[in-house]
Amino acid sequence: DTGVSQDPRHKITKRGQNVTFRCDPISEHNRLYWYRQTLGQGPEFLTYFQNEAQLEKSRLLSDRFSAERPKGSFSTLEIQRTEQGDSAMYLCASSRQGFEKLFFGSGTQLSVL
Amino acid sequence: AQKVTQAQTEISVVEKEDVTLDCVYETRDTTYYLFWYKQPPSGELVFLIRRNSFDEQNEISGRYSWNFQKSTSSFNFTITASQVVDSAVYFCALTLFSGGGADGLTFGKGTHLIIQP
Repeated sequence: DTGVSQDPRHKITKRGQNVTFRCDPISEHNRLYWYRQTLGQGPEFLTYFQNEAQLEKSRLLSDRFSAERPKGSFSTLEIQRTEQGDSAMYLCASSRQGFEKLFFGSGTQLSVL
Repeated sequence: AQKVTQAQTEISVVEKEDVTLDCVYETRDTTYYLFWYKQPPSGELVFLIRRNSFDEQNEISGRYSWNFQKSTSSFNFTITASQVVDSAVYFCALTLFSGGGADGLTFGKGTHLIIQP
């Protein structure tokens, strides 16, 4: 296993700009999750993909957030018109099947100025 | 909705001491999975254990042990003879069987464990 990769590790942007993050899961994993983590808090679930299908979205995910997983491989998370409240660590995780342990990436730290 | 509470925000002990991290969960479902993850300073969460609601047997793995008690809705984690490398933030998490894993994990706020040399 090469592990879950996320890019970039850090992103600094100005309020109102759009940002996109990328996640490359472990190759044989068909389940992919996005989480958001703020300082002093546990990760919060954002969305879930089974292969290329986005099957679950949290109510936390506003209309400014969109995620894709074309061809069931890598995934992107885009935030449009960023706000200061979007500043957080965005974590990606993958697994082969339901209820198996999740493998997490190192995250993308977003700072919105 | 389910909830996970880790009341201990931060614990500091001296190396070689034993330490227990508490986890209390709330759910109306009878079938669920509980997890513990470790988040070292590098930021990447590392899986430690998974336990399903039907299995209340305690588990030991080296210096780590877990005590699952459905009667008190608790899933506590003990590190025996702690080491500096155990310093990290530890998260307890829950997922419902009914969700099929699709709705992700509900995490507690974490306990920051500091092991002093």
